[in-house]
Amino acid sequence: QQKVQQSPESLTVSEGAMASLNCTFSDGTSDNFRWYRQHSGKGLEVLVSIFSDGEKEEGRFTAHLNRASLHVSLHIREPQPSDSAVYLCAMSPYSGGSNAKLTFGKGTKLSVKS
Amino acid sequence: GPKVLQIPSHQIIDMGQMVTLNCDPVSNHLYFYWYKQILGQQMEFLVNFYNGKVMEKSKLFKDQFSVERPDGSYFTLKIQPTALEDSAVYFCASSLDRNSGNTLYFGEGSRLIVV
Repeated sequence: QQKVQQSPESLTVSEGAMASLNCTFSDGTSDNFRWYRQHSGKGLEVLVSIFSDGEKEEGRFTAHLNRASLHVSLHIREPQPSDSAVYLCAMSPYSGGSNAKLTFGKGTKLSVKS
Repeated sequence: GPKVLQIPSHQIIDMGQMVTLNCDPVSNHLYFYWYKQILGQQMEFLVNFYNGKVMEKSKLFKDQFSVERPDGSYFTLKIQPTALEDSAVYFCASSLDRNSGNTLYFGEGSRLIVV
């Protein structure tokens, strides 16, 4: 079964400085990778979904996928205090469709200080 | 954007009793999911559901768990009887299809406390 590790567990950045979050996975059985954000007491908000090696940008959020190194990262450009939340990495297996069954990491708690 | 609504947001229940968690998915969605998140741990897949049937379930989906969506109403997760280890936040999700990462929407969760 796919195992997902996120680092760091928590991260504090200043407003406007780049924030970088990491996610490593245990094997190559996943097809689709995505980053979610969860504000305290709220549901999950999808930020970026990426299928292919390389980079995908959605507004201030950029995901980088490198399957060979079993690594996907999220970079947040010009973070604001409203970006303070838990960021979750998730992936789905090749079979069953990319929404069918997600495996999540434990999350990185991001705090953005003004 | 599209919203998935979950009712109740919080529930405290005595061990051994039955609980039903309700999910109102996005109106035109066809696939429905439940995930479980124990405090301090990662969110874990329980079950997915399509066309009135469970398509896939994990080992966390015990025999005491059941799901249904009668006549297009709420998509429900029922636990009968409840156990202490069922205490968690349960997240419902829905999607239009199985393959587009941006059409999967989550609710805000139902926090269940079993005492």
